[in-house]
Amino acid sequence: TQLLEQSPQFLSIQEGENLTVYCNSSSVFSSLQWYRQEPGEGPVLLVTVVTGGEVKKLKRLTFQFGDARKDSSLHITAAQTGDTGLYLCAGDDYKLSFGAGTTVTVRA
Amino acid sequence: GAGVSQSPRYKVAKRGQDVALRCDPISGHVSLFWYQQALGQGPEFLTYFQNEAQLDKSGLPSDRFFAERPEGSVSTLKIQRTQQEDSAVYLCASSFSTGLTSGGYTFGSGTRLTVV
Repeated sequence: TQLLEQSPQFLSIQEGENLTVYCNSSSVFSSLQWYRQEPGEGPVLLVTVVTGGEVKKLKRLTFQFGDARKDSSLHITAAQTGDTGLYLCAGDDYKLSFGAGTTVTVRA
Repeated sequence: GAGVSQSPRYKVAKRGQDVALRCDPISGHVSLFWYQQALGQGPEFLTYFQNEAQLDKSGLPSDRFFAERPEGSVSTLKIQRTQQEDSAVYLCASSFSTGLTSGGYTFGSGTRLTVV
């Protein structure tokens, strides 16, 4: 049973465009994390959000956590080809429960 | 070491063969996790160690899967009598602790297991 639903499943955009991916959870976790995974590598942690309504910025990436702590979004401004990868959200309850991910392709 | 190291990177096993996958966590990391990632999916939890104690093995799909961490550092995931449905990437992650005090989880690059 997938506790976290991510949308869209695939996203292909031109370099310089903006994009948003979404994560919705059926449960409340102690925190929610976003990872990026490149082919042949393990997931790399981008950010952890804990508090409802929280907004975190990491250069061109903006992460929002809903007030009810069940939904989250990742917005990338002016995407670059280096942003290409699989974006995963995960709920942390000492062990991680992952969504199925959003595959983002940024075309040059 | 600087990161989580997994070996081998790739393993091809004939159906019915036993395999052993190794994980070398970051030195000093108390918590160690194994995840299974099928093609096109997010990782799924298999098992969790705190030091040498296996505190949660609820994600192991069958009794053919066995994990150990005898000295609280290196861990081995063993799969007996491999089946085609075991084909996946097996990821290991470690952290200083768990939850909000974890300091973040660091994943290895994984072992891609293909059962033929």
